[in-house]
This record gives sequence, C-alpha cells and structure tokens, in this order.
Amino acid sequence: NAGVTQTPKFQVLKTGQSMTLQCAQDMNHEYMSWYRQDPGMGLRLIHYSVGAGITDQGEVPNGYNVSRSTTEDFPLRLLSAAPSQTSVYFCASARDRLNQPQHFGDGTRLSIL
Amino acid sequence: AQKITQTQPGMFVQEKEAVTLDCTYDTSDPSYGLFWYKQPSSGEMIFLIYQGSYDQQNATEGRYSLNFQKARKSANLVISASQLGDSAMYFCAMRGDSNDYKLSFGAGTTVTVRA
Repeated sequence: NAGVTQTPKFQVLKTGQSMTLQCAQDMNHEYMSWYRQDPGMGLRLIHYSVGAGITDQGEVPNGYNVSRSTTEDFPLRLLSAAPSQTSVYFCASARDRLNQPQHFGDGTRLSIL
Repeated sequence: AQKITQTQPGMFVQEKEAVTLDCTYDTSDPSYGLFWYKQPSSGEMIFLIYQGSYDQQNATEGRYSLNFQKARKSANLVISASQLGDSAMYFCAMRGDSNDYKLSFGAGTTVTVRA
C-alpha cells in the first residue's frame, strides 16, 4: 500500500530559487494538507484542501502556493526560497470526517542556503 | 481558534513502567476530535489513538490509553509497560468541526525509555 507519497525526500536550494514538493495519495481521501515541522514548534499547517479545486490557507501560508487539480495530488510550491523556509515538510491526507486520523507521508527535508 | 498545549518537553521512563504524557486543549467547538501521534527518530508520523469529544468512554489501543477529562480540557496519553521502542516524540493534536477539520498540533513531548 503506497498511502501518501512525498518527493523528494531531501533537497538543498539556494535563496531565491523556486521548487515544487510533490504529494500523492492513493486512498481517495478528500482532505489533504501540508505542514512544516521546526524544532520545538510541533507541526504547523501551511495550506490545506477539502477536495479537488478547493484550497485554503493554514497558519503559515506566506511564501507557499498550492493547487488541487485532482483528488490524488497536492503539490506545494515555494515561490522564492528563503533560509526561513528551511524545515521538514509533511504532506497528509484524511477522510473529510472529524474522527478520521490524518495519514502522513515520510516528509521532505528542505535546506535553503 | 484552537490551541494545544504540551508542557513536558522531555521525559524519562524506566522500561516496563507506565508513563503519562500531558495534553491540554482550548476550543470553542462543541464537537472535536483529539489525536495522538508518535514520531520516532526515523521521522515518520504514526497515528496512535483517537478520542471524540462526545465519546462516553476513554479510548484504548493496546498499550495506549487516553485519559480524557472534558471539563478540564485535558487528553493525557498513558503508555503502559514501556518498551525501548517507545522512545520517540509524541504529539497531541485536535480537529474541530467549525474550521474545515483542520488539525492543530502541540509542541510535542520527547520520551526516552531506559533499560
């Protein structure tokens, strides 16, 4: 079972570069989200989607864009990378129900030099 | 808005003993769900246990149980008979029914199990 697949697992960028973190799920989940994890701060929500064609901002959306053209895919775009965006990024998906746990990808470790 | 507070940054527990991880929350939603996740040193996020705000009984999953005290807005995780493999970071999280079911996380508690 693939579950939630994130690529790449590691990436190093220079300040000002752009890139896209890929996320795909094969569980037909309506709900998908992106988090960043920084030391001592838990996971913070960047953007989320409740279905294809619908996205919304989370707690820390600045500097990131998302789109949801299909149920399966939810890419995260860094528009102009900054050192403050050095973090571990997690994609997650869930059924759109209150009691449903989110299933996480393995994460992308991103360093901005 | 919802907020999750985990006040224990790190804990040590002896193998085979029980450990309680504290979690308090704040929300104005009448209906919400509380989750605990485990993050081992390898980095993946593993779902452990769920408690619904209207559940009458505390949730249990194997060696994990949730001490849910709604009036005090606390949802503490109890790990019984600790094993070396339980050494990890543990996160408390909450979804509310009024904000698109967004999941909010606490800062986490690191548990180290000693042999």
